[in-house]
Amino acid sequence: QVQLQQSGPGLVKPSETLSLTCTVSGGSVSNGVYYWTWIRQPPGKGLEWIGYIYYTGSTNYNPSLQSRVTISVDTSKNHFSLRLNSVTAADTAVYYCAGAGKNDAFDIWGQGTLVNVSS
Amino acid sequence: SSELTQDPAVSVALGQTVRITCQGDSLRTYYASWYQQKPGQAPVLVIYGRKNRPSGIPDRFSGSSSGNTASLTITGAQAEDEADYYCNSRDISGNHPWVFGGGTKLTVL
Repeated sequence: QVQLQQSGPGLVKPSETLSLTCTVSGGSVSNGVYYWTWIRQPPGKGLEWIGYIYYTGSTNYNPSLQSRVTISVDTSKNHFSLRLNSVTAADTAVYYCAGAGKNDAFDIWGQGTLVNVSS
Repeated sequence: SSELTQDPAVSVALGQTVRITCQGDSLRTYYASWYQQKPGQAPVLVIYGRKNRPSGIPDRFSGSSSGNTASLTITGAQAEDEADYYCNSRDISGNHPWVFGGGTKLTVL
């Protein structure tokens, strides 16, 4: 059973870069089954799709974040990562990694990381 | 429109049946998936492909669809079903692959 484990800091200063990693266990990040995705949820609000990476390296980003976001995959470490540049308080949210399978549903999720953007 | 619209809040008496709906143009073409999210926890997939349940999801959860509306029905709601429920689907607008509804807070009375 594929599981996702997130890691990364919970506090980032304004204008700096948010970096999170999602490690895949019980399977390979290169299995071709999942679109490896990042989703965020501001406090008290709904879910917002950030972007995905496929094992081929193909990426797709939310147009509202595209200029600031990079998602990458490291097959040697079996993980994928999120970088969000030039953060502001509006980027404060719980960030989730997730996998979208062939059924177009997000059937696996990381535990979530609350990232506060504050000086 | 690429949006999915959900009622912000719905309530149901314990043991009764409740339907949570999701509306959007995308749903005329794509199936909806449904997620349950309890406070402080990650979302959990409860319905995909319109009416399929992942392993471990109770059969009181069911899905249906008609036109631009997808529905999640809980038959015999339990106290532990109190949660936020989100729908999502592929997005027909082409702006991004997926879109989420705003979520419905379900209260079990």
